[in-house]
Amino acid sequence: SAVISQKPSRDICQRGTSLTIQCQVDSQVTMMFWYRQQPGQSLTLIATANQGSEATYESGFVIDKFPISRPNLTFSTLTVSNMSPEDSSIYLCSGRVGTGTSYEQYFGPGTRLTVT
Amino acid sequence: DAKTTQPTSMDCAEGRAANLPCNHSTISGNEYVYWYRQIHSQGPQYIIHGLKNNETNEMASLIITEDRKSSTLILPHATLRDTAVYYCIVSAAGSARQLTFGSGTQLTVLP
Repeated sequence: SAVISQKPSRDICQRGTSLTIQCQVDSQVTMMFWYRQQPGQSLTLIATANQGSEATYESGFVIDKFPISRPNLTFSTLTVSNMSPEDSSIYLCSGRVGTGTSYEQYFGPGTRLTVT
Repeated sequence: DAKTTQPTSMDCAEGRAANLPCNHSTISGNEYVYWYRQIHSQGPQYIIHGLKNNETNEMASLIITEDRKSSTLILPHATLRDTAVYYCIVSAAGSARQLTFGSGTQLTVLP
């Protein structure tokens, strides 16, 4: 299994500013992901964080808005840039353990972001 | 990845078994069925996964039909702390594909 922590747990930010969210896993994971969960909605994948290279973004998400780093197997950051109220969401980090025929994926507690 | 269909909500009496159904009629041979749950204001929690055999762990049992087109997650003795949104997800084995979350089933355990 893997235990995932995120910092900060919540923040209130002004529009136009940026926030960097940190994700730390207590063990090496094969893959790391960032999700967004808007109020009352399900989770939407933002990107796969690739170690030592550019993240792989899903449709509708771009690097300029959500730059991601993953310098090693246990740590990643997501920056929400030039924020607007529409970016108010919970941002969740996730790590995958195992490869091959099956895997388990674990999630952090989330970072609740409010943009005013 | 195959699409899943789950009821929007379900109630269950505390202490009784909670049986959560999921339809995945387009599942392909290499796709696993995963179950997660999300308790309010927390990140999703992995529960169980399986390919075609029934699976059991300390949290739940997963029953997959022989044709693999549907499955049922069973919480044998539901408690109030099991109140959560339960997500059934189908994902290809050994692939780099992400888990795609649908809208899930809101399970409410009643005292």
